[in-house]
Parts: sequence; structure tokens; C-alpha cells
Amino acid sequence: DTAVSQTPKYLVTQMGNDKSIKCEQNLGHDTMYWYKQDSKKFLKIMFSYNNKELIINETVPNRFSPKSPDKAHLNLHINSLELGDSAVYFCASSHTSGAGTDTQYFGPGTRLTVL
Amino acid sequence: GENVEQHPSTLSVQEGDSAVIKCTYSDSASNYFPWYKQELGKGPQLIIDIRSNVGEKKDQRIAVTLNKTAKHFSLHITETQPEDSAVYFCAATDYKLSFGAGTTVTVRA
Repeated sequence: DTAVSQTPKYLVTQMGNDKSIKCEQNLGHDTMYWYKQDSKKFLKIMFSYNNKELIINETVPNRFSPKSPDKAHLNLHINSLELGDSAVYFCASSHTSGAGTDTQYFGPGTRLTVL
Repeated sequence: GENVEQHPSTLSVQEGDSAVIKCTYSDSASNYFPWYKQELGKGPQLIIDIRSNVGEKKDQRIAVTLNKTAKHFSLHITETQPEDSAVYFCAATDYKLSFGAGTTVTVRA
């Protein structure tokens, strides 16, 4: 069974489009995260949700909007895509928010390419 | 916020030799230090972690040491094997995980 899954795995789109990435975890965790990994492989947190409530919102453009319909799902919607949004986006989950001290389990990633 | 520096950025070792990756952090309040391994095309996977009340932890061929006074921690892989080839990330947390820039490890057969 896949613990943290993301769809799609690859996403190629034109500048200006709006797209969504979906994430689901079956670990029963309370906290979910979105990370961005750039072309140099640098990993940076974007958002985290605990029981559907936003708890971390890093300095991310407001074109990015996370949505958590329930604690097992955290989707990422991106409006007006720009070239600089091209990256690999990882979803992760942990048992609690625990000030970041709980083990985080990562999904397989979604490679977004903006043309 | 927390700033994590990681060295080296690339590391090539002969199979069977040891590999060492070093990280420093800036926030003395950080108390959890995980290490992740990322294989090509996959998400990062936790391989070992250490908390601030422990100086060293070992799991088979992998060990991590923590020096809170100096604010640095290290990953040691002994008897390296080709399947150890991957990108390794250190991280530290104050209220969120901050990652180092990664070390690409290549184990030569």
C-alpha cells in the first residue's frame, strides 16, 4: 500500500494556465505538507496543514493555494503558472505537527514543467 | 529562521569505503535532526534521525553524531555499497524542517 501518493506524477503545461496537484495519505496522520524542490535539488517547505487547518505558510506567492478537504488529503492549486514554477513538488505527512519533530513521510513527487 | 549548511555537495567513494557528510545549523533551539536519502525519481526517505538529548545513534551501517555546542551533526556510512548511491539531505527543525542543500553520493564498484 502506498503511504503518501500524489497525482499526477508529471505535469506539463503552458504559462498562464491553472493546474492542481493532489495528495493523499493513508497513514492516519494529522499533518500534511507541501515542499518545492528546485532544479538544484534544494527542498523548501511551502505549506503545512494540521487537521485541515493551515499552520505554516512560507513566503509563497498567493497564486499557490493549498486546500485540505479532510486530514487525509492536501491539494495544491496553482493559478497563472509562470516559468519559475517549474520544479518537483512533494507532499509529505507526519503523525502530528509536533513543532516539526515528527518523522515526515514523503510522496513520490510531481514534476511540473511550465513552457 | 533556521539555516542548515551541508558539505560536501558531491562525494565519490570506492565500494567498501566510508562516507561522511557534515552539516551545521544556526538555531540553538533546534532539537530534531533527520537525514533523508533521495534516489533518482523518488521522494526523500528518512534513513536515520537524532534528537538533541542524544549525542550519537547507530543503525547497522549508518550512524549520526550530534554536537549541540558546536551546532553540527554528521552522517557516517560504513562499508558503502552501490545501492548507497543517492542524494542525502540533512535537516534541522525549530518549528519546521529546514533542509541542507544535499550531497550527491556515488559509490564506485
